Amino acid sequence: QSALTQPASVSGSPGQSITISCTGTSSDVGSYNLVSWYQQHPGKAPKLMIYEVSKRPSGVSNRFSGSKSGNTASLTISGLQAEDEADYYCCSYAGSSSVVFGGGTKLTVL
Amino acid sequence: EVQLLESGGGLVQPGGSLRLSCAASGFTFSSYAMSWVRQAPGKGLEWVSAISGSGGSTYYADSVKGRFTISRDNSKNTLYLQMNSLRAEDTAVYYCAKVARDIVATIREVDYWGQGTLVTVSS
Repeated sequence: QSALTQPASVSGSPGQSITISCTGTSSDVGSYNLVSWYQQHPGKAPKLMIYEVSKRPSGVSNRFSGSKSGNTASLTISGLQAEDEADYYCCSYAGSSSVVFGGGTKLTVL
Repeated sequence: EVQLLESGGGLVQPGGSLRLSCAASGFTFSSYAMSWVRQAPGKGLEWVSAISGSGGSTYYADSVKGRFTISRDNSKNTLYLQMNSLRAEDTAVYYCAKVARDIVATIREVDYWGQGTLVTVSS
């Protein structure tokens, strides 16, 4: 199972919006609405930010939103804040009882 | 409050074995699937294995299939990962992860993570 494809890095200024893409195949992202996104600060455990493509867990800011079109999922962060600077990973159920992560995207808040 | 506390990591020689444990609390352990996810130094997340709430169904990434065994003791609220025939490329922080629901037809998202335990495979 190949990793989902994410850009290595994205950046934005405070207050701006950024979008991180996550490209898979028709066997994973394209077949299931089971895409999730995780935020990871250096030295910390990941944190669930989005699940089932576009749902937010309780406590996650509504500045975070998710979507999907075909084999590509996206995470959008609006109103960028300094504390959003972190690594972000997408994840998808991949069929045959397997799970695949993206390679991760480093978000820099300028 | 959900808590997941991993233990058992350390330094092991190539070809050796190690067993990781994860003590869970704050939720009805047997009602949820559990997973192990690892992260090599400076690298991304990699799903390793998952197990159903009853322990009756187990799933593995191709990279560890035949070498690693996931299990759970619901009477002790503890998850395990037995790692055999370890290789240098297994060096990583191993995270214990609670899955959002039990495995029915799919493996759902991880909603809680432990802090991880470092496994280093080196001679």
